[in-house]
Amino acid sequence: KNEVEQSPQNLTAQEGEFITINCSYSVGISALHWLQQHPGGGIVSLFMLSSGKKKHGRLIATINIQEKHSSLHITASHPRDSAVYICAVSAGGSQGNLIFGKGTKLSVKP
Amino acid sequence: EAGVAQSPRYKIIEKRQSVAFWCNPISGHATLYWYQQILGQGPKLLIQFQNNGVVDDSQLPKDRFSAERLKGVDSTLKIQPAKLEDSAVYLCASSSQGGGEQYFGPGTRLTVT
Repeated sequence: KNEVEQSPQNLTAQEGEFITINCSYSVGISALHWLQQHPGGGIVSLFMLSSGKKKHGRLIATINIQEKHSSLHITASHPRDSAVYICAVSAGGSQGNLIFGKGTKLSVKP
Repeated sequence: EAGVAQSPRYKIIEKRQSVAFWCNPISGHATLYWYQQILGQGPKLLIQFQNNGVVDDSQLPKDRFSAERLKGVDSTLKIQPAKLEDSAVYLCASSSQGGGEQYFGPGTRLTVT
C-alpha cells in the first residue's frame, strides 16, 4: 500500500463544476503539499499546509490531521485548470523530502 | 526572481550510454532535490543536498547514478550506463531550507532506446 493515496485517479468535469480531489496518507507528517503539473511542464506548488484550511483564488485546500486526510477543491472550474494534481507529504522527522501520491488527472471540458 | 533552471529539456540516448543533467536552483536556496518521475507515477526522491552535503540518497541507484553539488549551488545528476527503465522525467527542486516549500524546475525528459 502506498503511503500517499489519491482519489480519483482521473476526473472529467464540465466547466463551472465544483471539483474535489482527495488525499489520504498513512505516515506522520510535518506538512502536506498540493502541487499542479501541466502536460510537458514542471510542477508548481499550490499549497503547503499543516493544519486547517488555505484558500487562493478558486482553490481551497483543507487538512484533517486526526483523520490523515486532505482535500483540494476547485470552485467554478475552467478548462485551464486541466492538469495533474499531486498530493505530497513531508514525513515527520524528515529533512523535507516529499512522498508523492500518483496524482489525479483532471480534465475540464468547455 | 529567477526560477529553478534545468538543462537539457529533452534527451534521447541508447541503452548503455551515459547522460548528465544540470540544475541551477533559486539563488540562496540551500536545499536541492533530484526526483525521478516515471510516466503515470508521482515523483520519487533520488537525492537531497543541503548546501554541498548529501542529506538523503537512500533511493539513488548508486551502481549507475551519481550526483554532485560541489560548490553548494548548481548540481549535476549522471547516469552511467543508462537502462531502458531509466526513461523518465528528472525533476530538480530547491527550497530555502529542508522542510520548506519546494520550487520545481521544468524537468528533463529522458528517453532511453
